[in-house]
Amino acid sequence: DSGVTQTPKHLITATGQRVTLRCSPRSGDLSVYWYQQSLDQGLQFLIQYYNGEERAKGNILERFSAQQFPDLHSELNLSSLELGDSALYFCASSVGATMNTEAFFGQGTRLTVV
Amino acid sequence: DQQVKQNSPSLSVQEGRISILNCDYTNSMFDYFLWYKKYPAEGPTFLISISSIKDKNEDGRFTVFLNKSAKHLSLHIVPSQPGDSAVYFCAASAPGSARQLTFGSGTQLTVLP
Repeated sequence: DSGVTQTPKHLITATGQRVTLRCSPRSGDLSVYWYQQSLDQGLQFLIQYYNGEERAKGNILERFSAQQFPDLHSELNLSSLELGDSALYFCASSVGATMNTEAFFGQGTRLTVV
Repeated sequence: DQQVKQNSPSLSVQEGRISILNCDYTNSMFDYFLWYKKYPAEGPTFLISISSIKDKNEDGRFTVFLNKSAKHLSLHIVPSQPGDSAVYFCAASAPGSARQLTFGSGTQLTVLP
């Protein structure tokens, strides 16, 4: 158990819908990172929050947004969903502001858009 | 444009033998490299890393080799065990405030008993 909790584990929704994925970081970790893993692809970095502020942005679509709340949990909002958004979405957390060996991943949320 | 490439989607090795997983990168700014292991239904877990100032780093049965001139790194597992069967991701980062990781597509290692 990495200590990073992601909910839900599985999500099936229709095209055009909106979903929210939730991540609770390890106790004491200030950074939360979101990654997307599509079929046969590596993990693609989406966005990072550090202590409530956006710190880095990767290949995140405009239809996607995220935030980190005062209790440090984070939510990734995906809207106007398309079939191609079907993927595993991972959250990771770390104490510091950089993604290094001390970052731990959650189990992921598998999103299926039908 | 894939900056980190793992060209072998899968690898099968006999228990007790050496497993060699390869990774190539194109971005010359990368100066820190990591390997992650992922079991089904779990998130990736950190395995071993290497800085570009080194060409080898060892941790128990796991050794990572870095060839900067070839922009190539490899992970050696000796001896391989059935519990090593997992997907292995290579990742790299460049200097910068966030140092987010760029991942390869992974190699499925199967260690046969």
